Parts: sequence; C-alpha cells; structure tokens
Amino acid sequence: KNQVEQSPQSLIILEGKNCTLQCNYTVSPFSNLRWYKQDTGRGPVSLTIMTFSENTKSNGRYTATLDADTKQSSLHITASQLSDSASYICVVSRTGNQFYFGTGTSLTVIP
Amino acid sequence: KAGVTQTPRYLIKTRGQQVTLSCSPISGHRSVSWYQQTPGQGLQFLFEYFSETQRNKGNFPGRFSGRQFSNSRSEMNVSTLELGDSALYLCASSGGQEGGEQYFGPGTRLTVT
Repeated sequence: KNQVEQSPQSLIILEGKNCTLQCNYTVSPFSNLRWYKQDTGRGPVSLTIMTFSENTKSNGRYTATLDADTKQSSLHITASQLSDSASYICVVSRTGNQFYFGTGTSLTVIP
Repeated sequence: KAGVTQTPRYLIKTRGQQVTLSCSPISGHRSVSWYQQTPGQGLQFLFEYFSETQRNKGNFPGRFSGRQFSNSRSEMNVSTLELGDSALYLCASSGGQEGGEQYFGPGTRLTVT
C-alpha cells in the first residue's frame, strides 16, 4: 500500500532553535518527494523537490534530505523564526504523476 | 505572473444540495489537480485534469466530479452534499510534466450544514 507517514504530528520550539521533521514512505515506483509549507488558511507552498538521485536540497534555512534506500526524508529548519509556524507536508509521487500526501507536522515557533 | 485563483473562497451549503467550485490555473499551465483537506485526513487527491481530459483519479465517490475547459480553467462539482464534505478544497496547477512543480491556490472553504 502506498503511504506517507510524518512525525512528529506537532512540535513546539523556541525561536532561534533548529528542528527536524521526518517523513517515511512506502510509495512505489518512486518519482519524487516534495516538502510543502502551509500557513493557516492558505494553500501549500513548495519548499523543495527531490528526485531519486538527489539526497540533499536546500532552500534558505530549509534543508531536505532523502534516503531512497530506506525510503526516508527529513526537513531540517535552521534558526527558526516565528514565521516558520505552519504545517509542513511531505508529498511523494509515483511514476505517472500520482501523489501521496502525509498528514503533516504542525510546527509552532514561540518567542 | 498571476497565481492560481479559486472562487468562491467561502461557501455554506445545506445537506443534499450541490456545489460547483472554480479554479483558474497559472497562465500556460495545462494540468489542474483538485484536493480535499480536512483536519483528520490531511490532503487527499480527488482528480487531475490535463488538456480537458481526466488523467488521474483518487478514491472519492461519484458525487465528486470535475471538468476542464479549453482555456485550462477547471470546475469541481459535488452533488448531494453530506456533512462530511465540509473541508478546504484546493486546486493546484502545473505544466503537466512528470515531476513538475505544483502551485496551489488559496482554496475554497466549504461548510455543509
């Protein structure tokens, strides 16, 4: 069964601290993995897209890693800011443009 | 370049009614995908249209249908609304190629009473 699981479900961190969000998947055949940030009441915005051959990709303070062998990905946020408070969604696509979504990690950054 | 637009942004309907939601993709994009988002289930894929044809479909009942017009604008229709259809409905547009970036609209918040 094609599934995407994210952990933790929610996370609270102090402003300025780093954090890492996890994504495990069983989607096959794998095409690519994306991380999205979704602010409350808005549509998701793409942070990174990684294909099978990429194991690290950065977008500013966001760094995503991918281990295609273990089918795991992580999103590392450095020096968190209050504006990082959002839901982070991991999306894995199969060949043929079929998408599978995790239920997201809700991140709250407090001053 | 204008982003993805969805109308209406908010909608309140009664059980048993039907509703039509609209999505205008980014200019030049030929693929439009629809998603349902609820707090308990997260984002769930409804269907994807590419060049006026349904290319992919999720596991939703036949009450959920869609179409795409020649200008790539898409509509989603839900008939015989149920309380459980209350959700944020998002559409995303892309060029349609494998692995292409998807750009999401702001969503339509549907409440069924």
